[in-house]
Amino acid sequence: DAGVIQSPRHEVTEMGQEVTLRCKPISGHNSLFWYRQTMMRGLELLIYFNNNVPIDDSGMPEDRFSAKMPNASFSTLKIQPSEPRDSAVYFCASSLGGNTDTQYFGPGTRLTVL
Amino acid sequence: AQSVTQPDIHITVSEGASLELRCNYSYGATPYLFWYVQSPGQGLQLLLKYFSGDTLVQGIKGFEAEFKRSQSSFNLRKPSVHWSDAAEYFCAVGAGGNQFYFGTGTSLTVIP
Repeated sequence: DAGVIQSPRHEVTEMGQEVTLRCKPISGHNSLFWYRQTMMRGLELLIYFNNNVPIDDSGMPEDRFSAKMPNASFSTLKIQPSEPRDSAVYFCASSLGGNTDTQYFGPGTRLTVL
Repeated sequence: AQSVTQPDIHITVSEGASLELRCNYSYGATPYLFWYVQSPGQGLQLLLKYFSGDTLVQGIKGFEAEFKRSQSSFNLRKPSVHWSDAAEYFCAVGAGGNQFYFGTGTSLTVIP
């Protein structure tokens, strides 16, 4: 069974450009999470979906960040416009039953904004 | 507010030595407790979890953790560390609803 799939694995872009990160959760999982990891701030939960509905987006840094989950097998995290301080590794994770269940992480997308 | 504390930012141990990584949480009730490991350049992988029942939990790769309610702790242990255990270790707490928190992580270096 395939794990959580993220694309791209690496993204280098210039400040002001739009960036879209993609995630395919494990089939059958009901919950999807987007995290950001930096040296300064560690792992931060950005947003959490349950049955394709955003449950908690309090971690989304600002209006430049948006996330969608149009169906159970796909989610996007978009940054528009991107800024150098958005440089980080972004992880997607999925679980069978919310945030009290085991989360399975994707390999991450390393984003560099120049 | 709920929180997770990993007091040790970095730990160095010799191969074959025992290991204990500390984790303390702040929560009014018994939360769901997790330990994850992250190897360089990889995503996180679950080592073990505690929901209820026996307070000593066995995980993968020879790790175990003990939930101590009186100390609000969930420390991770391994009796004999292998060089491949060098990684970043994260304690996490889930309290239902929107509440899920990772600790800041402990980086483990293993000396041959």
